[in-house]
Amino acid sequence: AQTVTQSQPEMSVQEAETVTLSCTYDTSESDYYLFWYKQPPSRQMILVIRQEAYKQQNATENRFSVNFQKAAKSFSLKISDSQLGDAAMYFCAGLEYGNKLVFGAGTILRVKS
Amino acid sequence: GAVVSQHPSWVICKSGTSVKIECRSLDFQATTMFWYRQFPKQSLMLMATSNEGSKATYEQGVEKDKFLINHASLTLSTLTVTSAHPEDSSFYICSARGTSGRAAVLDEQFFGPGTRLTVL
Repeated sequence: AQTVTQSQPEMSVQEAETVTLSCTYDTSESDYYLFWYKQPPSRQMILVIRQEAYKQQNATENRFSVNFQKAAKSFSLKISDSQLGDAAMYFCAGLEYGNKLVFGAGTILRVKS
Repeated sequence: GAVVSQHPSWVICKSGTSVKIECRSLDFQATTMFWYRQFPKQSLMLMATSNEGSKATYEQGVEKDKFLINHASLTLSTLTVTSAHPEDSSFYICSARGTSGRAAVLDEQFFGPGTRLTVL
């Protein structure tokens, strides 16, 4: 079974600067997906970015990008040009094909103006 | 992306009563739905997985007689908290996975907005 670990309970970033959220995972599968979800104060889960394990290229979505290190089982999220609206709880999650999403403990991101 | 709704968005009930929460996929057929529970500032805890037309599969430690899940159609799943007690107060989130239209993308789950349950 897959496990996902987020070791940063809280992070802070100055508006317009860059922040990186860490995530490590463990799985015995060769085919899986990794996700970053954002949960703002409304508590609606929002998919930020998705990475397929078989793809070597790191996924990017506008200001959000990942650093996927498959051998190290690391999947960090970089947020560039941070905005006040980025303040939220961020969850790293893994999905083995056809199975359940496994979430990390989450990282609270605070954005300072 | 595909849209999932939940109703009600919040509910307050008396201890000992039962509460039903609905989860609907609005623009796709949800072959599988998931129910999560979340405490403040904590992660999502999977309670059960339900497939349309079959019995739900509950995670270890989740009382199936207390949390009744029904997935009677491809667009609706319900979670009924029976004989609710204050310790059942929590935020309940459903998600849906589909195989049609925009939902049939890379095994993605689409989340509802959640239901806040308060048991007095």
